[in-house]
Amino acid sequence: QVQLQESGPGLVKPSGTLSLTCAVSGGSISSNNWWSWARQPPGKGLQWIGEIYHSGSTDYNPSLKSRVTISVDKSKNQFSLKLTSVTAADTAVYYCARVGYCSSTSCSGDGFDIWGQGTMVTVSS
Amino acid sequence: QSVLTQPPSASGTPGQRVTISCSGSSSNIGGNTVNWYRQLPGTAPQLLIYSTIRRPSGVPDRFSGSKSGTSASLAISGLQSEDEADYYCAAWDDRLNGHHYVFGTGTKVTVL
Repeated sequence: QVQLQESGPGLVKPSGTLSLTCAVSGGSISSNNWWSWARQPPGKGLQWIGEIYHSGSTDYNPSLKSRVTISVDKSKNQFSLKLTSVTAADTAVYYCARVGYCSSTSCSGDGFDIWGQGTMVTVSS
Repeated sequence: QSVLTQPPSASGTPGQRVTISCSGSSSNIGGNTVNWYRQLPGTAPQLLIYSTIRRPSGVPDRFSGSKSGTSASLAISGLQSEDEADYYCAAWDDRLNGHHYVFGTGTKVTVL
């Protein structure tokens, strides 16, 4: 059973860089899936940040594209998020997720079937 | 900024049927499949419906999805107390500025 676990600092200073890592266990990041980041400000809805394939191909939310970099480390079976020039508006619970619904035999669809538990990041001095 | 619009709230009594709408455009719902998520307080979202109408293993058949044009719906029949949660629709959006994922504004379901 694939599991995802986010890790990284819970507090980032304004104008600094938010860096998070999502460790994939129970499966390979080189499987035929894309891997995404999403976030949820306190009391608000979900926002997609971007996705990456094990080849390194990426897609980003146009509203965040200038500040976001998502990368993959196949040797460590993990992928990472960097968000630069953060402000209080970037305070949120950050989730990583697998794209695609996978049964024991195959994957299909484009929903996010497995999510990490989420990690709260606060931007404050 | 969500581009998929949902009603902020919906409610029903146990056993009733509740429907949640999700309105989008030709670049998202109109041209791609729709996914639905349920989020209980303090937990990560859970995939409820994928590919517009399909249920992941373990999701009761009380939950069903549909789509017509640029709108989609999630129906919950036989409403139960444990269905009280936030529900989000989502779809991939293909525009000139790329391929990206959009979530709905979210609907809070209350069981009366």
